[in-house]
Amino acid sequence: EPEVTQTPSHQVTQMGQEVILRCVPISNHLYFYWYRQILGQKVEFLVSFYNNEISEKSEIFDDQFSVERPDGSNFTLKIRSTKLEDSAMYFCASSDSKTTGSYEQYFGPGTRLTVT
Amino acid sequence: GENVEQHPSTLSVQEGDSAVIKCTYSDSASNYFPWYKQELGKRPQLIIDIRSNVGEKKDQRIAVTLNKTAKHFSLHITETQPEDSAVYFCAASSRNTGFQKLVFGTGTRLLVSP
Repeated sequence: EPEVTQTPSHQVTQMGQEVILRCVPISNHLYFYWYRQILGQKVEFLVSFYNNEISEKSEIFDDQFSVERPDGSNFTLKIRSTKLEDSAMYFCASSDSKTTGSYEQYFGPGTRLTVT
Repeated sequence: GENVEQHPSTLSVQEGDSAVIKCTYSDSASNYFPWYKQELGKRPQLIIDIRSNVGEKKDQRIAVTLNKTAKHFSLHITETQPEDSAVYFCAASSRNTGFQKLVFGTGTRLLVSP
C-alpha cells in the first residue's frame, strides 16, 4: 500500500536556524497538508496546499513558515529562524478526493523537530 | 472556527470490555468526522470515519455514531484487546471543496488490561 514518507525522522537545530522538513506524498494525491503535534498534545493543522498554492493556513502558520512543492514529488515545510516553541512532531498528510471520492487523509511517520 | 472537545482524556478497561469515547463539535457546517488511532511514536492512522449524511457506521469491533442535532459523535470499541491500547483522536472537517482542514480533539489514552 502506498505511504506518505518524511525525512528526516529527527532534526535537531539551534534556535534561530532555518530548517526544511521534507515529505513525499502518495503519488496520485492532489491535496497536501502539514500538521504539528507538540509532545503530549493534540494534532494541530498548519496549512493545506493544492494546485501549487496554499488553500488554507492556521494562525500558527505565520511568516516564519513557508511551503513549497519544488518538483512533482516533494512537498516541503520551511521554518525560518526557529524558536524553542517550534519543537514538535511535524506530520505531512495527503489526500485525493477528486478521483477516488475518499476523504481520508494519509499521514506520514512524522519529523521530530527539536530546537535547542 | 471549529472547536472539538473529546472525553475522557484517559480510559482504562479490562480486556473484553467495551470502550466509548465521545466528541462534540461546534461548527454546524462540519460534515466529515474521522477517528484516528495513534500508537506511541507512530503516525495517526484512520480507523473509521463517518460523513454527515449517515448516523452510524460499523466496521467489525468498532463503530461510530453521529448526532448532528446535538453536534456530537462517539467511537465504540467492543471486545477490547490489549492491542487496542493507544491514543485515539476524533476530528471534524468542513469539506466544501476538495481539501479539508481536520480539527482534532485532545485525544483519549485507552489502556486495555489483560
